[in-house]
Amino acid sequence: GESVGLHLPTLSVQEGDNSIINCAYSNSASDYFIWYKQESGKGPQFIIDIRSNMDKRQGQRVTVLLNKTVKHLSLQIAATQPGDSAVYFCAENAGGFKTIFGAGTRLFVKA
Amino acid sequence: GAGVSQSPRYKVAKRGQDVALRCDPISGHVSLFWYQQALGQGPEFLTYFQNEAQLDKSGLPSDRFFAERPEGSVSTLKIQRTQQEDSAVYLCASSPGDRSTDTQYFGPGTRLTVL
Repeated sequence: GESVGLHLPTLSVQEGDNSIINCAYSNSASDYFIWYKQESGKGPQFIIDIRSNMDKRQGQRVTVLLNKTVKHLSLQIAATQPGDSAVYFCAENAGGFKTIFGAGTRLFVKA
Repeated sequence: GAGVSQSPRYKVAKRGQDVALRCDPISGHVSLFWYQQALGQGPEFLTYFQNEAQLDKSGLPSDRFFAERPEGSVSTLKIQRTQQEDSAVYLCASSPGDRSTDTQYFGPGTRLTVL
């Protein structure tokens, strides 16, 4: 069935370094992708999104890359800060209202 | 408040009890979603409302789960005869419009523990 998964369950980076979180998706019909950040005890928070007609989108300190050929999505965080420590989820949508989330990657930022 | 609120934040139920979880979306938001998040996993879609209409309930795991949004604002997720496998965080999200690409704003969730 449809699924969104992540390559690495945990990622540890030094403060100030760049972080890259990867995600694979399996539904080729998905045309909208979202990255969320979830801190402990809170609901997911929207970070950035990208539509399938794009391969790159930039926000403030974050960049999302989409490779439809290999069904791969990545989130790049520049100059990672301690406040970036959280679980990051990629999610996909195939046009309806059902958003499918991946399992998540926990990001640890070492001071 | 400015965001999505959920109550209670924590609920402990004995197996077989019925529970009701409340979601107050952002005022004026058309769309409302319920998700179930098991420990260490990503949220899983349960159901979707557009105003008071439940347009998608394909994610509800069994007929013990029921959701409503009678006046198009507050929503309640009811679980009857709770089972241990129902233990999870139940998340509610709302979005301003009816497009699938509208940003979803999540509440803090209700952590349900079934003993």
